Amino acid sequence: SQQGEEDPQALSIQEGENATMNCSYKTSINNLQWYRQNSGRGLVHLILIRSNEREKHSGRLRVTLDTSKKSSSLLITASRAADTASYFCALISSGSARQLTFGSGTQLTVLP
Amino acid sequence: SQTIHQWPATLVQPVGSPLSLECTVEGTSNPNLYWYRQAAGRGLQLLFYSIGIDQISSEVPQNLSASRPQDRQFILSSKKLLLSDSGFYLCAWSVKGGISTEAFFGQGTRLTVV
Repeated sequence: SQQGEEDPQALSIQEGENATMNCSYKTSINNLQWYRQNSGRGLVHLILIRSNEREKHSGRLRVTLDTSKKSSSLLITASRAADTASYFCALISSGSARQLTFGSGTQLTVLP
Repeated sequence: SQTIHQWPATLVQPVGSPLSLECTVEGTSNPNLYWYRQAAGRGLQLLFYSIGIDQISSEVPQNLSASRPQDRQFILSSKKLLLSDSGFYLCAWSVKGGISTEAFFGQGTRLTVV
């Protein structure tokens, strides 16, 4: 399967704590992306990390990529109740016809 | 700026009825277009992918079909809906070319087949 798989499936933390979500995949990739989905809404792009990058930051988000282990992690620091959402990793495999495939997501709940 | 419109937002259809969901993109040309389905509490399943007018790839065999009659219009159809077609359908687009291409999503259509 080309798609990534997130871990854990669900995560519940207190406001102010950090949240870490992981994504594993099986193919070679050009890049890996993380998206957020509020309940019943479309997905919103958060951050993209290229296959030649190891770490990337955007505000309270930190993404790492380990191509040798075929894994990525998304860290949200100092979480807020508004961060409650589902988070998905998505990838475009190397050499494929630009299909963007998604994992099954991590449901993050941040308790106030 | 680019925008994507997807409608309707919700739809309740009886089994055996036809389906037509429409998605249009504004502010860009020659985009890649996608249809995804999301079952409750699950990830996104890629249904169809299009790189141009009348150029559509189907990712899974199913009761659905897609068409792209115009550059920025993507339509998801079914002749006869099944109960298993219920779900949350998402249209998305991305810029063609390059490897750093994020996808932009519509707000989705919640389809309930009864």
